[in-house]
Amino acid sequence: DVKVTQSSRYLVKRTGEKVFLECVQDMDHENMFWYRQDPGLGLRLIYFSYDVKMKEKGDIPEGYSVSREKKERFSLILESASTNQTSMYLCASRNQGFSYEQYFGPGTRLTVT
Amino acid sequence: GQQLNQSPQSMFIQEGEDVSMNCTSSSIFNTWLWYKQEPGEGPVLLIALYKAGELTSNGRLTAQFGITRKDSFLNISASIPSDVGIYFCAGQSTSGTYKYIFGTGTRLKVLA
Repeated sequence: DVKVTQSSRYLVKRTGEKVFLECVQDMDHENMFWYRQDPGLGLRLIYFSYDVKMKEKGDIPEGYSVSREKKERFSLILESASTNQTSMYLCASRNQGFSYEQYFGPGTRLTVT
Repeated sequence: GQQLNQSPQSMFIQEGEDVSMNCTSSSIFNTWLWYKQEPGEGPVLLIALYKAGELTSNGRLTAQFGITRKDSFLNISASIPSDVGIYFCAGQSTSGTYKYIFGTGTRLKVLA
């Protein structure tokens, strides 16, 4: 079974803090994704990484950065957290190739106060 | 961002009933994925479809890739209380190599 894990299920941070969200997958997938999910807005892509040290901006990259130093790990960084970044953050991974099955982690509910 | 039209938005059904929902797009897709998400959890992949007309089952769930490649359908047979959740589709466009477009979701509630 594919397993995608996220470092925290719930996080509460203060405005202006630097926040790190970690994601690890155990299936040797090349591609990894970070999304945020908000009511009424659905899933929105923040960043995508197609391989180690490779990244592409998604639809809403402002205020975020990412790091992928190892194939299994993809980190999302909020440089200076703001209240409008309160959201559910979902990491996902998939194997590059014929199968485009994308697997999600359990999510991190981040609250910025 | 763009979202796929998914219907119905929500439904209450009796336990044991069959459920149907669908997703439509204005664009052609080469992959359709169906997910279930429970409150506070990440989406779980249920079924993946890759060819127009393809019909795939996973237990009581059956999904179809529409022949126009612009729609997909999910059926749940003999629903049970644990089917409660939000079901949503995701499509991958022929023009994109990694982006998925997600449906608006169908909230399912099963009455025992």
